[in-house]
Amino acid sequence: SQTIHQWPATLVQPVGSPLSLECTVEGTSNPNLYWYRQAAGRGLQLLFYSVGIGQISSEVPQNLSASRPQDRQFILSSKKLLLSDSGFYLCAWSPVGRADETQYFGPGTRLLVL
Amino acid sequence: SQKIEQNSEALNIQEGKTATLTCNYTNYSPAYLQWYRQDPGRGPVFLLLIRENEKEKRKERLKVTFDTTLKQSLFHITASQPADSATYLCAPIFSGGYNKLIFGAGTRLAVHP
Repeated sequence: SQTIHQWPATLVQPVGSPLSLECTVEGTSNPNLYWYRQAAGRGLQLLFYSVGIGQISSEVPQNLSASRPQDRQFILSSKKLLLSDSGFYLCAWSPVGRADETQYFGPGTRLLVL
Repeated sequence: SQKIEQNSEALNIQEGKTATLTCNYTNYSPAYLQWYRQDPGRGPVFLLLIRENEKEKRKERLKVTFDTTLKQSLFHITASQPADSATYLCAPIFSGGYNKLIFGAGTRLAVHP
């Protein structure tokens, strides 16, 4: 069966510090991968999606970036965090080739920027 | 731009009653619409998918309807239980270059014993 992991679970970082969040998927090949951010009481905002190694598309302009160095690894990064980067970050995957885009989410990382 | 509206206020119901949650969307016509459940501090979990040519879909105590004319989906939980308490997210698919889900903010459901 497929599983998705995210770490760390919780992170407190000062403004201006770098960020690296990691997501890995097991039990499937060539998944579509996604990074979302969820602010308190708000919906999920799609940040990045990837259909393959090295193929990243950005949904919103921001100081975040994403990379996919391996088929089942997706990394969210920032060189300098802003207060507004605080939130709940979720990684998700979906099977390639399905038009309905059913997605499977990881446990999330709660980021607090102070 | 595409907009998804779900009741922002929490829905409080008594155990055993039917909970009905509403999702309205504007400015596009999704081919699929999905519902997810999210517990506090956890990632969303997929529940049901309904296609534009399906009026209704059922899974155990869950029922989803999809009215493409009204641009609305209703999500029902029959014989509700306290364990059903969670936030429920509506996610119609948007097909503009590539397929992606656009999530509503969700409605929090509280089922009281």
